[in-house]
Amino acid sequence: DIQMTQSPSTLSASVGDRVTITCRASQSISGWLAWYQQKPGKAPRLLIYQVSSLESGVPSRFSGSGSGTEFTLTISSLQPDDFATYYCQQYSSVWTFGQGTKVEIK
Amino acid sequence: QVQLQESGPGLVKPSETLSLTCAVSGYSISSGYYWGWIRQPPGKGLEWIGSIYHSGSTYYNPSLKSRVTISVDTSKNQFSLKLSSVTAADTAVYYCARVGSSGWLGYWGQGTLVTVSS
Repeated sequence: DIQMTQSPSTLSASVGDRVTITCRASQSISGWLAWYQQKPGKAPRLLIYQVSSLESGVPSRFSGSGSGTEFTLTISSLQPDDFATYYCQQYSSVWTFGQGTKVEIK
Repeated sequence: QVQLQESGPGLVKPSETLSLTCAVSGYSISSGYYWGWIRQPPGKGLEWIGSIYHSGSTYYNPSLKSRVTISVDTSKNQFSLKLSSVTAADTAVYYCARVGSSGWLGYWGQGTLVTVSS
């Protein structure tokens, strides 16, 4: 299976900060990557698919980039509603997720 | 608006079979898309279990394939998961979801916690 490794595991930030989360694949996944946001007790919410396509209704402060094996999710200006755990997912072969990045209030 | 709702027993005994159903509203399964199951052990990350097309074509995670069966009932607009020979390691919140055109998961159910315990 393709392993997805996110960094950092935990990120402490303040409202207004620019935040970047990295996801690395153990082999090339081309552009088959999505990002999700999950809040406690809730289902994940799709933010971005195909590396950089913003899901309908998702604020434009979220963006994605990358190719091959390295990808990033960027939040341009962190808002109070953004404190959550973020997961990447590859769907190149057997679908796998990263271990998650928890964005905490600094 | 597409909505998914999981249902099934919240407690299953070890060695027995876990059975869950996902009822879909706001979209006809027969119209297309793959539909999938994902699980999340308490405090841990997400694991894809498998997916099914309205025609019945399935795609399973190889790590679970020997124990998983996913089926679809288009007349009831729902799909189901069966996981056999469960152990405590199968304790998790189980989600159903609609799969986007290439593999992303655009619509999710709220999830249901299944505990494996005697």
